[in-house]
Amino acid sequence: QKEVEQNSGPLSVPEGAIASLNCTYSDRGSQSFFWYRQYSGKSPELIMSIYSNGDKEDGRFTAQLNKASQYVSLLIRDSQPSDSATYLCAVATTSGTYKYIFGTGTRLKVLA
Amino acid sequence: GAVVSQHPSRVICKSGTSVKIECRSLDFQATTMFWYRQFPKQSLMLMATSNEGSKATYEQGVEKDKFLINHASLTLSTLTVTSAHPEDSSFYICSARRSGARSEQFFGPGTRLTVL
Repeated sequence: QKEVEQNSGPLSVPEGAIASLNCTYSDRGSQSFFWYRQYSGKSPELIMSIYSNGDKEDGRFTAQLNKASQYVSLLIRDSQPSDSATYLCAVATTSGTYKYIFGTGTRLKVLA
Repeated sequence: GAVVSQHPSRVICKSGTSVKIECRSLDFQATTMFWYRQFPKQSLMLMATSNEGSKATYEQGVEKDKFLINHASLTLSTLTVTSAHPEDSSFYICSARRSGARSEQFFGPGTRLTVL
């Protein structure tokens, strides 16, 4: 079983719609969760971090965390073509060397 | 804040040569730096984690004698690809993190290595 799972997509949404990106993780003790955006040929860019159950909003982005279900999601409101990218979910390890476990990413396409 | 730079952004070299990539945290002290590699259309692969003043911790399957990592200061880490071969051609990305339980990783812009 993969430690952090994401649907690879592509997820296609029309411009102006809400894009919903999902991620599940296997380590029940995980405390720190991150969403990154990666454009083709570029390095990842941090969008949001979330540590507590519930929602965290930042502009058009909302991260949602449910530790009981081991589930973290990212909602993008009013999606724009410029949001088209691969979205990476990352979970910090809870034992051993501190590092992130990344999902394989979900490719999002926002159609104009 | 939280800017990480990498140099060079692109390098082309002949097989058998060594290539050094620098990663700098420009506006914060990075107690930990990470080196990743990414092949086209594949996900990020962590190569190693380095803490300032300590030896790097390499992921399983990454040859530490081939990928030399030095983290000599709180703002600089280097990755040297020794005796590079065409199969080492990839996108190498570093990230840096402050100390603290909730501090995030910030990525550099990456270095595209092509070995001929």
